[in-house]
Amino acid sequence: DAKTTQPTSMDCAEGRAANLPCNHSTISGNEYVYWYRQIHSQGPQYIIHGLKNNETNEMASLIITEDRKSSTLILPHATLRDTAVYYCIVREGQAGTALIFGKGTTLSVSS
Amino acid sequence: DTGVSQDPRHKITKRGQNVTFRCDPISEHNRLYWYRQTLGQGPEFLTYFQNEAQLEKSRLLSDRFSAERPKGSFSTLEIQRTEQGDSAMYLCASRSRSGNTIYFGEGSWLTVV
Repeated sequence: DAKTTQPTSMDCAEGRAANLPCNHSTISGNEYVYWYRQIHSQGPQYIIHGLKNNETNEMASLIITEDRKSSTLILPHATLRDTAVYYCIVREGQAGTALIFGKGTTLSVSS
Repeated sequence: DTGVSQDPRHKITKRGQNVTFRCDPISEHNRLYWYRQTLGQGPEFLTYFQNEAQLEKSRLLSDRFSAERPKGSFSTLEIQRTEQGDSAMYLCASRSRSGNTIYFGEGSWLTVV
């Protein structure tokens, strides 16, 4: 079973920041937080991952709370093309184990 | 394109027929995963290979499903005696020996009529 809890859906206006929350209260010390997104009918796309520190790349920023029980994915300037299902997943970094997906958050970006 | 490649992208088959999907992982990725995704659901894990060894199988992988990775490079997923409930998108993903990130292909859509 997925170890994360995410809101079912969120809306965001184009050009504004989209902040997607995720709860992972049972995360263990060696588990990373991964974010993927899936645009309709395509395979999941990797966005970002982190262990303890906040992370930023060209796509998004990941803010992890100090107790690591929750995190927020930030898309700084959402566009219509960011409309997708966003999945938050916890997993051991180097282990071979698969990603276990929950239902994710459907983000709708509108103009 | 150096991403995960899947073939065919779409397959329509009659109930009872066998189908096979192929996955070519990213070059030198030694770990390979298969998932299934039905409409409105997140991807569900099916099986995992490290090199040619199949190390993990989900209970979703019924006896009609078989996956192989004979030389530790490409992989095939065969479904025998297809049923309408097998209609789904079958996703392949791969990861390198040292990396943390799993990369997905675009999926193979199966419709059983």
